[in-house]
Amino acid sequence: DSGVTQTPKHLITATGQRVTLRCSPRSGDLSVYWYQQSLDQGLQFLIQYYNGEERAKGNILERFSAQQFPDLHSELNLSSLELGDSALYFCASSEGPYQETQYFGPGTRLLVL
Amino acid sequence: DAKTTQPPSMDCAEGRAANLPCNHSTISGNEYVYWYRQIHSQGPQYIIHGLKNNETNEMASLIITEDRKSSTLILPHATLRDTAVYYCIVRGAGGKLIFGQGTELSVKP
Repeated sequence: DSGVTQTPKHLITATGQRVTLRCSPRSGDLSVYWYQQSLDQGLQFLIQYYNGEERAKGNILERFSAQQFPDLHSELNLSSLELGDSALYFCASSEGPYQETQYFGPGTRLLVL
Repeated sequence: DAKTTQPPSMDCAEGRAANLPCNHSTISGNEYVYWYRQIHSQGPQYIIHGLKNNETNEMASLIITEDRKSSTLILPHATLRDTAVYYCIVRGAGGKLIFGQGTELSVKP
């Protein structure tokens, strides 16, 4: 158990819809990272937040957005969903801002029908 | 961040040491070698990391060659639960974790 929690575990929705994935980092960690893992793309870094501020951006689509709240939990919002957005979405956390050792949550499996 | 090359798959007998190689010939002086593993669609799990010296923790040992162009992750007594995809990642301070295809390790009874 990494100490990172993610909800929900599974999500099934339709194309065009919007969903929100939630992540709570390990106690004491100030950075939260979001990753997408699909069959054809592997694990892709999406975005990092540190202490409420966006810190680094990866291959995140404009339809996707994230935020980190004062209590340090984070939400990833996916809108105008497409079939290709079906994937595992992982959240990770680390102590500081520099992407040092990251601890991953169990993931949210999203299926877009 | 430097690129890594790993064999796509390896087998290991249960109870034996699993030695997973990784080539990172373009690594620069301030880049670390990280190892993560992912057990069937679970979240990736941090194993170990190092810069120059060999490292050991409760999970594994990391051997980095003197020229730092390659490394080996050693699981000293592999169990069936060590069956997973193992990712070798090279990154500098503040660099992103870029996951490649990894090595699929199968531990067999």
